[in-house]
Amino acid sequence: EPEVTQTPSHQVTQMGQEVILRCVPISNHLYFYWYRQILGQKVEFLVSFYNNEISEKSEIFDDQFSVERPDGSNFTLKIRSTKLEDSAMYFCASRSIRLLDGNSGNTIYFGEGSWLTVV
Amino acid sequence: SQQGEEDPQALSIQEGENATMNCSYKTSINNLQWYRQNSGRGLVHLILIRSNEREKHSGRLRVTLDTSKKSSSLLITASRAADTASYFCATRSAGGTSYGKLTFGQGTILTVHP
Repeated sequence: EPEVTQTPSHQVTQMGQEVILRCVPISNHLYFYWYRQILGQKVEFLVSFYNNEISEKSEIFDDQFSVERPDGSNFTLKIRSTKLEDSAMYFCASRSIRLLDGNSGNTIYFGEGSWLTVV
Repeated sequence: SQQGEEDPQALSIQEGENATMNCSYKTSINNLQWYRQNSGRGLVHLILIRSNEREKHSGRLRVTLDTSKKSSSLLITASRAADTASYFCATRSAGGTSYGKLTFGQGTILTVHP
């Protein structure tokens, strides 16, 4: 089954450093997302991306965050100057809009996540 | 708003028993999805139920949706030790501009003892 892949699986970074988390969404998907989960807390929406632009973002997604789809396959999340509170698991997700069968256009598929620890 | 609140927060059962987890939400939804997360791992999609559906089955999973009560339940029948994980409901709000954004609940930690 196609899957969303994320790299790195773990990253430790110093406070103030820039971090780029990478994702390869499922190939025929057109909507892309980043979510995060602080340890022991809910999974929170950060941003959605469609047609090469941000379609929606949460209040968490401030100027320190940016997303990019540099080519036809990768989708990246950049944190410009990391803070301790950015430590979390970051999930990339993708969705198709093609309703080929059942719910395939509605189901959002998540990657394994990237653990980010800011020290 | 506290969209997607699950109960119980933790559930401990013996292998072979059924596990029922509930989810409540506050706003109108387009669909509700259940995910499983093994400790420290990714979110695995289990089942999606649309707002105009009342019940769906997938293998040992049964999901119900009551839009009048704004609640859903996930039933895992004949549980196995491998079902041990956290289970989350996630709602997609009704309306045209959500672009599929999901709002997650806190999750239910299920432990199945062999």
